[in-house]
Amino acid sequence: DAGVIQSPRHEVTEMGQEVTLRCKPISGHDYLFWYRQTMMRGLELLIYFNNNVPIDDSGMPEDRFSAKMPNASFSTLKIQPSEPRDSAVYFCASSLAGGWDTQYFGPGTRLTVL
Amino acid sequence: DQQVKQNSPSLSVQEGRISILNCDYTNSMFDYFLWYKKYPAEGPTFLISISSIKDKNEDGRFTVFLNKSAKHLSLHIVPSQPGDSAVYFCAASAGNNAGNMLTFGGGTRLMVKP
Repeated sequence: DAGVIQSPRHEVTEMGQEVTLRCKPISGHDYLFWYRQTMMRGLELLIYFNNNVPIDDSGMPEDRFSAKMPNASFSTLKIQPSEPRDSAVYFCASSLAGGWDTQYFGPGTRLTVL
Repeated sequence: DQQVKQNSPSLSVQEGRISILNCDYTNSMFDYFLWYKKYPAEGPTFLISISSIKDKNEDGRFTVFLNKSAKHLSLHIVPSQPGDSAVYFCAASAGNNAGNMLTFGGGTRLMVKP
């Protein structure tokens, strides 16, 4: 299996622009997680899905952030409008049955908002 | 308030010696703990975990110790190898499932010198 796939790997955009990050989970995994890593806050869970349904979005920082999972093999995290403080590395992870010890992370998308 | 803390941002060890990485937590509801390893430009990978019903868990060169009364856990790597050089994150949850929030420490960068 190719593992969790994220695109793009790097994104540079200007403040106010819309940014869309993409994730393809491991086939057969029924949980998908979006994380953000920053110097100030470390690694934090933003939202997770079970069987394509958002379960807990309490970590989503603001209404500017939204996530969707239209099918079992694709998810997006959108920031609209983007701000410089959104600059971070965003990780997607997937898991079978939701166990933390069965969670596999993608390589991340490094977002820079100028 | 940081519920999971890794007070040493970095650690340098000679190849073949023991590496000890430490982690403290404050939330008494945490009963499942994990260590992740992260190489540059990659996502974290699960390394080893421990449930609060145990005080030790071993997997090859990696051993995690849990001291519930002190709210402290440590990861021992013996013997350390240059390939172990990475950032190590401890994480804690009230259970090994996505229904319980996973909280990460800030990470410790381990450098193993040949």
